[in-house]
Amino acid sequence: NAGVTQTPKFQVLKTGQSMTLQCAQDMNHNSMYWYRQDPGMGLRLIYYSASEGTTDKGEVPNGYNVSRLNKREFSLRLESAAPSQTSVYFCASSDPYTTEQYFGPGTRLTVT
Amino acid sequence: GQQLNQSPQSMFIQEGEDVSMNCTSSSIFNTWLWYKQDPGEGPVLLIALYKAGELTSNGRLTAQFGITRKDSFLNISASIPSDVGIYFCAGPLLNTGGFKTIFGAGTRLFVKA
Repeated sequence: NAGVTQTPKFQVLKTGQSMTLQCAQDMNHNSMYWYRQDPGMGLRLIYYSASEGTTDKGEVPNGYNVSRLNKREFSLRLESAAPSQTSVYFCASSDPYTTEQYFGPGTRLTVT
Repeated sequence: GQQLNQSPQSMFIQEGEDVSMNCTSSSIFNTWLWYKQDPGEGPVLLIALYKAGELTSNGRLTAQFGITRKDSFLNISASIPSDVGIYFCAGPLLNTGGFKTIFGAGTRLFVKA
């Protein structure tokens, strides 16, 4: 039981490049989330998916797209990376009845 | 939008000391969650509180759900070096798309052996 896994762990992009961050969970959770963490800012919600087939914007969705591929997988795409997107990205999942979220280890992204 | 205000922002303490931190909001929450993030890792849930006035312990950690439902407190007794990390409070908000959880900015704890 791996919990929540994220790939890659580290990534460096040039401005304008695109990439997809992958997230998978094996806890049979319905809800999945993408957050970004900047120094001193805590965690800010980018997008979330309450269940398979649905996605909704969070607090900071601009510049990102998401895909809930199936119940296990939720990906985050940067179409044209910008230096302001340099951050640590966390994926999380939860059972909707408890709201307790379980986090992956994070992807550290640098955009130059 | 809704905000969770955590204080203090950081704490520097000696091993063995007790620690107190809190989280306040102008909004009412029905659930309060406390997470810890070790350096280089994702946050891990420590304690979940579901009822106003509730006091819950997890080892040396004790958390309370404020009676007004607008605040919560976390205490750590007899701190040890592995308590170092960032402690986040969080509160889930229900909307049409499901639960959205907002997080405080965190309290950074440094423990000197």
